[in-house]
Amino acid sequence: AQKVTQAQTEISVVEKEDVTLDCVYETRDTTYYLFWYKQPPSGELVFLIRRNSFDEQNEISGRYSWNFQKSTSSFNFTITASQVVDSAVYFCALSEAYNQGGKLIFGQGTELSVKP
Amino acid sequence: DAGVIQSPRHEVTEMGQEVTLRCKPISGHDYLFWYRQTMMRGLELLIYFNNNVPIDDSGMPEDRFSAKMPNASFSTLKIQPSEPRDSAVYFCASSLNTAYNEQFFGPGTRLTVL
Repeated sequence: AQKVTQAQTEISVVEKEDVTLDCVYETRDTTYYLFWYKQPPSGELVFLIRRNSFDEQNEISGRYSWNFQKSTSSFNFTITASQVVDSAVYFCALSEAYNQGGKLIFGQGTELSVKP
Repeated sequence: DAGVIQSPRHEVTEMGQEVTLRCKPISGHDYLFWYRQTMMRGLELLIYFNNNVPIDDSGMPEDRFSAKMPNASFSTLKIQPSEPRDSAVYFCASSLNTAYNEQFFGPGTRLTVL
């Protein structure tokens, strides 16, 4: 069965600290996709990144970076030099290729609080 | 380009009343999803459509919930009769035609059932 686990419910850091949000997934499918979404206090869900199961290259986008490791079924998200505007709930999600249209299975989310 | 549009943004109703939530997906997207977000259950998929046809409604909690997509640019989620435990934020999302494509979410409808 497919499952996404975000073990960290809440994380609090001080501005400029680096922070890593953990995501562990379970799937029987060999082709799948992993996503991160951000939900700021305003409530909307914002897409951050997508990764497919055949591409284990890490990705960096500005202060954001993602580490995908199939061996440990993890897709972790690091924010470097965090800022107050990074405060939000972050969701990791899984989509299996056999599911037409990409039914997303979300983790429970990690609430990140960045204090000035 | 307009994103996913949902209405109303907030709805307060009394137990037993009918509630209808509306969604307009991004033009050209083949898939439409309805999610519910609560503190207890997190984000859960209720139902999704492909080309206006319901594909998977296994997440619909019970018969009080129904969803329709009469055309490519409009969908509704109806709760009748509503109950306090239905209070949640309901999101609509749309995506292009493969599991690879990200889903774009609407702003959500915050439903409060008194």
